[in-house]
Amino acid sequence: DAGVTQSPTHLIKTRGQQVTLRCSPKSGHDTVSWYQQALGQGPQFIFQYYEEEERQRGNFPDRFSGHQFPNYSSELNVNALLLGDSALYLCASSPQGGNTEAFFGQGTRLTVV
Amino acid sequence: QKEVEQDPGPLSVPEGAIVSLNCTYSNSAFQYFMWYRQYSRKGPELLMYTYSSGNKEDGRFTAQVDKSSKYISLFIRDSQPSDSATYLCAMNTDSWGKFQFGAGTQVVVTP
Repeated sequence: DAGVTQSPTHLIKTRGQQVTLRCSPKSGHDTVSWYQQALGQGPQFIFQYYEEEERQRGNFPDRFSGHQFPNYSSELNVNALLLGDSALYLCASSPQGGNTEAFFGQGTRLTVV
Repeated sequence: QKEVEQDPGPLSVPEGAIVSLNCTYSNSAFQYFMWYRQYSRKGPELLMYTYSSGNKEDGRFTAQVDKSSKYISLFIRDSQPSDSATYLCAMNTDSWGKFQFGAGTQVVVTP
């Protein structure tokens, strides 16, 4: 079982650019959540996708958007990047529409310069 | 005030000692409680998941939940240098809700 896989692992972007991060959930999982983790902080919830719909959203601006595909994989898009968007972006997957016992990927480290 | 408070540490213990970690929370609606371990530059790894008050044991790990005090704990027995990591508590209000994380406690186990 490959677990949750994220790509790319590292990314450097310039202010104002747009970025797309990708996540493949653990086999058998249908729910995908995205989190942002700043250095020295706990992860902050961005949004959750289930059945290809955004089911819940955290306190993030509309510059953050996402998508879930029929195979349950997901993308996180961030437009008009700011220096403050530099963080580790984590994808978590869980089974049967639930969120307990969520498994996390290794994350994508985004640096905005 | 943050919904979930967790002492950032670092907490330094000698090998073989018991590591005691805790989180307090303010939202009485939290029902599901998780502990994650995160090594540097890696994603969090689920250690324990509990629902309702009480104790849960898994190998060297014991999780405790006291809903009346809004307080959760994780104990690691016979600590090893490989246990050196950041430990995150997380909780949510229902089985599909978003996680609210603590800031994490850095643990260092010295040989």
